[in-house]
Amino acid sequence: DSGVTQTPKHLITATGQRVTLRCSPRSGDLSVYWYQQSLDQGLQFLIQYYNGEERAKGNILERFSAQQFPDLHSELNLSSLELGDSALYFCASSVAMGDTYEQYFGPGTRLTVT
Amino acid sequence: DAKTTQPNSMESNEEEPVHLPCNHSTISGTDYIHWYRQLPSQGPEYVIHGLTSNVNNRMASLAIAEDRKSSTLILHRATLRDAAVYYCILRPFRDMRFGAGTRLTVKP
Repeated sequence: DSGVTQTPKHLITATGQRVTLRCSPRSGDLSVYWYQQSLDQGLQFLIQYYNGEERAKGNILERFSAQQFPDLHSELNLSSLELGDSALYFCASSVAMGDTYEQYFGPGTRLTVT
Repeated sequence: DAKTTQPNSMESNEEEPVHLPCNHSTISGTDYIHWYRQLPSQGPEYVIHGLTSNVNNRMASLAIAEDRKSSTLILHRATLRDAAVYYCILRPFRDMRFGAGTRLTVKP
C-alpha cells in the first residue's frame, strides 16, 4: 500500500460525458502527479501540482483539467470524453518537487468510455 | 528530452541475481536516473534512484557507469514477486512517457 488513494476504482461512461477522478496523496506529500496509461501509448505524464499550484504539464489534452485543493487532494476532470480516452489513470505523490524525490503511485482508476 | 533504451524482456530463475540494463547516452549532468516497476494490475512502484554514485536500498542496487551513459538495476535474489515491467527513467515527472520498459519473467 503506497498511501495514495484514488477513487473511483472503475468508471464506465459514454462518449461526450464528463467525469472527475479523485486522488488523495500520502500524508505529508505536497506534490501530486497525474498519468495516463493506455495499451498503445504506455504510461505518460499529464500534469503536476505542488502545494495547490500547477508546476508542469505533459501531454494533457485541452479537454482535461486538474486542480489541487488546500487539503492537497487533487481532481482530474475529463470532459467531452472520446473512446480513445479509455485508459488507466494514475495519481502519484511525492514529498516535494524535483528529480531527487521518489513518486508513490496510487492503484489507479480504470476509465472505460463506451 | 533525454531517452532511455531497455531490452523488451528478460528472464531469470528464482533466487538468482538479475541485472537489468538501461542505456541513456544523451543524459545531461543534472539528470537523475530513476527506476520504477509495475506489477500486473498495479500502479508503478518506486525502486531506486541515483545521480552518479552506485546506490543500494532494501529492494535493489543501482550501478551507474562512470560516464553515466548507462546504468544497471541489480536484484540480488529474484523472487516470483519481482516479475514486473521495469522502467528506467530520467527526470520522471517531466518525461512525456515512461517507455516500454523491460518485462522481467521469473521462473521457479
